[in-house]
Amino acid sequence: GAVVSQHPSRVICKSGTSVKIECRSLDFQATTMFWYRQFPKKSLMLMATSNEGSKATYEQGVEKDKFLINHASLTLSTLTVTSAHPEDSSFYICSARKQARSYEQYFGPGTRLTVT
Amino acid sequence: QKEVEQDPGPLSVPEGAIVSLNCTYSNSAFQYFMWYRQYSRKGPELLMYTYSSGNKEDGRFTAQVDKSSKYISLFIRDSQPSDSATYLCAMNRGAQKLVFGQGTRLTINP
Repeated sequence: GAVVSQHPSRVICKSGTSVKIECRSLDFQATTMFWYRQFPKKSLMLMATSNEGSKATYEQGVEKDKFLINHASLTLSTLTVTSAHPEDSSFYICSARKQARSYEQYFGPGTRLTVT
Repeated sequence: QKEVEQDPGPLSVPEGAIVSLNCTYSNSAFQYFMWYRQYSRKGPELLMYTYSSGNKEDGRFTAQVDKSSKYISLFIRDSQPSDSATYLCAMNRGAQKLVFGQGTRLTINP
């Protein structure tokens, strides 16, 4: 199998604060991790692609200074939502790609962020 | 026009029915085709993947890819209430990013 975990599963924060979300591949090494955002009853929107040891590649329209991504090891990537606002409230999901089978992505359980 | 089109449903069928879920796409360069199942407030779970055209079967699930028509399908036989979820098709070209359909909400009624 391929297990990806996320922490926390749910977080509530006040407007103006920063929140860090962790994504870990538990039983495989992932050179590439992806961060998605999902609105209710909508599909996944890719925010950025994170490669271990290098800067993340952000999709058009995603503010890199607001959504900081760090991929410090082959099993851990973090997404930090800086100066969060209520419009940042969403379901954030990460995925990881196995080295040997590059076309498959395995998703974490998601993090529900609510900014009050 | 979106690269991948998927009927969002909702689709509601009785238990035991055969379910057919479909996606069309416009980019002929796509080579890998995947189906994900997503339960409410959970991350997507990879169900099946197929490379290029053809069929692939796994238990009650069958994935079909017709590259000439740019059309992929997922069939669920003997559907169960536990199959109720949103089903997302996704595709890419090798190691490139996945492109998702909108997802189809499926409900299996006991």
